[in-house]
Amino acid sequence: EVQLLESGGGLVQPGGSLRLSCAASGFTFSSYAMSWVRQAPGKGLEWVSTISRNGGRTYYADSVKGRFTISRDNSKNTLYLQMNSLRAEDPAVYYCATTNYYYAMDVWGQGTTVTVSS
Amino acid sequence: QSALTQPRSVSGSPGQSVTISCTGTSDDVGGFNYVSWYQQHPGKAPKLMIYDVSQRPSGVPDRFSDSKSGRTASLTISGLQAEDEADYYCCSYAATYTSWVFGGGTKLTVL
Repeated sequence: EVQLLESGGGLVQPGGSLRLSCAASGFTFSSYAMSWVRQAPGKGLEWVSTISRNGGRTYYADSVKGRFTISRDNSKNTLYLQMNSLRAEDPAVYYCATTNYYYAMDVWGQGTTVTVSS
Repeated sequence: QSALTQPRSVSGSPGQSVTISCTGTSDDVGGFNYVSWYQQHPGKAPKLMIYDVSQRPSGVPDRFSDSKSGRTASLTISGLQAEDEADYYCCSYAATYTSWVFGGGTKLTVL
C-alpha cells in the first residue's frame, strides 16, 4: 500500500525551529518529486515547497523562501522540511505529497500540525 | 503569485451536474496544461481527482471531468451524489516561476 506518514509537528515559539519528516512506503520513493503543502486553520491549501527526485533541485513559495529548507534521503525513503524563524502566519497542517510527471500531487499523507505560539 | 480564483460555494441536488471554475493568469492556468483538482472532506487529507486534462487516478469515477478555456479551468461533477459534498481545490503549475498555486477552494453542497 502506498503510504506517506508525516511527523515532527508540534508547538514552537515565534522565531523557533522545527523539522518535519515524511516517511514513504509502498512505492519507489526515488522515482517521485515530493512536495509540502500546508493548510492554515479554516483556510485553503497553500503550496510550500517541492524537491526533485534526486534532491538536486528545490523550489519554494515566496512566503517561506530563506526560512524553510526541503530535503530528502532516498536511502531512507524520507522527505524533510526544516522550518526556521517560524512566524505567526506559519501555523498549519503540513502535508507531504508525491508530485508526478504532470505536476500533480497524487498521494498525500495525513498531515502534521504546526502551532506557533509564545 | 496570487491564488487562483474559485467560487466560494456551489450547490446541486442529487443526480444533477455542477461546474466549479478556476481562473488564473497566462503564467499559470492560461499558459500550461498542468491544472489539477483535489477533493477534501472535513478533517481529511486532500485527494487528487483530475490532472493533465481529464486524467483520473484509479478509483475516481468518470462523473468527474474537467476542461479549460484560456485562463479558466473548470471541474464538472455529473450525477451528483451525497458523498461528493466536500471542498474542491484547483491547482496549477506555473512554469514561469517554477511554482505551484492553488485556488481558494470551493465548498460543494449536495442539497
